[in-house]
Parts: sequence; C-alpha cells; structure tokens
Amino acid sequence: GENVEQHPSTLSVQEGDSAVIKCTYSDSASNYFPWYKQELGKRPQLIIDIRSNVGEKKDQRIAVTLNKTAKHFSLHITETQPEDSAVYFCAPYNFNKFYFGSGTKLNVKP
Amino acid sequence: DTGVSQDPRHKITKRGQNVTFRCDPISEHNRLYWYRQTLGQGPEFLTYFQNEAQLEKSRLLSDRFSAERPKGSFSTLEIQRTEQGDSAMYLCASSLGSGGTSPLHFGNGTRLTVT
Repeated sequence: GENVEQHPSTLSVQEGDSAVIKCTYSDSASNYFPWYKQELGKRPQLIIDIRSNVGEKKDQRIAVTLNKTAKHFSLHITETQPEDSAVYFCAPYNFNKFYFGSGTKLNVKP
Repeated sequence: DTGVSQDPRHKITKRGQNVTFRCDPISEHNRLYWYRQTLGQGPEFLTYFQNEAQLEKSRLLSDRFSAERPKGSFSTLEIQRTEQGDSAMYLCASSLGSGGTSPLHFGNGTRLTVT
C-alpha cells in the first residue's frame, strides 16, 4: 500500500505569514492529490486538489504544487488568518483508495 | 445536495455488544467509503463500494467488521463483539465516478465508545 508522510506535524505561524505543508508518498501510480482541512470536532473538507498532469494550482490564498518525479506535493497558504487554524491532511489517491497522512496541526496566532 | 449523513452521531456500547452504523451518501454518488479515525491520526481506510458491490476491504480489518450497501444507496457498517480498541470516529464518504479524480465528501461521522 501507499506510504504517506506529512511534515511538519505541527506548525505555528503569526497571522499574515505564509504556511507550507509537505506530503510525500511512495507509490508512483498515485494520480490525484487532494488536501483536506479538519476543524476540531468536524468532518474533513476538501480545500484544494491537483491532478497528475498539472504542476500547480491556485485558489485565492491557497495553492498546491506537485512534483511527481520526487513524489511529493505541498500545500501553500498565504496571508494566514486565525480561521485557517485546523488540522490539514493530504490524501494521495491510487488503486481506488485515498491514503491519508497523519495530519499537520496549523495554529495561526492573531 | 443534502450532503452525506450518518446515524447515529454517538454510540456508547459495552464490550462484546454488536453495533450498526448507517450512512446515506450524496444521491448521485456511486462510490461509498468507510474510514476510521482515532485521535491525532488521519482517516484509515476500511472498505469501499462501487454501487452495491463491495470492491475492497482493508486487510487490517477484523472479521468482526462487515459492511453492506444494498441497492447501491445507503450503507451499513456492523461491528460484532465490540472491543475497547474499536473506539474511534467512523467516517463515511462518497464520491462521484470511478476515475479517481473525484474528491471524497465526508459525513459528520459516528463516534463509537466501547466501555
């Protein structure tokens, strides 16, 4: 199965700063790369995704970059706000399953 | 789109009892997944359905766990002879299509506590 690692496991930034979370995966067959945000006590929700034929995708303050050769993809959040505080999961997809990382807890200090 | 709904939200049971959870996916979604999440961890794959067919079950999943999706609509997850280690959040998710480029839409989960 897929081996997924996220770094860092915790990240604390000042409001307005940028945050970057990296996800590495082991199976080169992975072809779809979403990021989920989970607030305390709530369901995971998709915030951005990228497909294997694209290197970068941006949606307002959030972007995802993909390096298929190196088998990693990263979540970039600019101009962070307190409401960005949550746990973020990467979940590369292959062979009909999504494999979730162990999560990165982001704390944005006002 | 009413979203994915799960019932019950919380379940407390005694060790050795059987429990059953229900998931109603988004109506036009043909894929349905069950995941388990423990505190501080990411969701762990349990099983998934394409319409009514259960196509894969995690090898880590005990035989005490069984899931069904009759008629390709709602799904149930049953745990027999519950153990304290089964305590977790059980998440259901659905997606559209089989190409793998459709994201998961999660329900609010069922939190199971085994005493």
